[in-house]
Amino acid sequence: SQKIEQNSEALNIQEGKTATLTCNYTNYSPAYLQWYRQDPGRGPVFLLLIRENEKEKRKERLKVTFDTTLKQSLFHITASQPADSATYLCAPSGGDDKIIFGKGTRLHILP
Amino acid sequence: DAGITQSPRHKVTETGTPVTLRCHQTENHRYMYWYRQDPGHGLRLIHYSYGVKDTDKGEVSDGYSVSRSKTEDFLLTLESATSSQTSVYFCAISGGLTGAYEQYFGPGTRLTVT
Repeated sequence: SQKIEQNSEALNIQEGKTATLTCNYTNYSPAYLQWYRQDPGRGPVFLLLIRENEKEKRKERLKVTFDTTLKQSLFHITASQPADSATYLCAPSGGDDKIIFGKGTRLHILP
Repeated sequence: DAGITQSPRHKVTETGTPVTLRCHQTENHRYMYWYRQDPGHGLRLIHYSYGVKDTDKGEVSDGYSVSRSKTEDFLLTLESATSSQTSVYFCAISGGLTGAYEQYFGPGTRLTVT
């Protein structure tokens, strides 16, 4: 069955450093992959989408890579700030109407 | 939030009672989804809709039914609530002009079944 793995443990990063989150998937070949941010008590918020033919995508301080050979996506936040503290969800999709969400990685940016 | 509301926001109900959750959008998006989110499981798809009166099952559809009689409303019904259905329920939409795939989520409904 399709499986998505994200760091189950919280990630603590010092303010100003780059935070890197990992998403690994198995048993399918997504046509695209999305990243969402979720704050406690709120719904997820869309951040970035990267397609299988794109190696890298950037948006302000965010960068996403997509390696279909390794079956992995990396999500980077540069110059991290305490306001970036949240849970980040990876969501690969095969291109149909549905996407599958990973369980998320909690990120803490320490001042 | 991209014009999505959920009602009620909180509900406590007893085992065996029927419960209906409502999702309302003002964005005219084609697709609508119901998810549940539980500790240790993440977001799991219950049902989704790809148009008026067109719905399909997701990963955890047992015990749930849905209806979509108009573009803006997507209802989730628990015919006979069980304690295992205690969860936070999120509605999401997609298929707008900005992109077919990105999903926009509502604020969630916290349901407790006692």
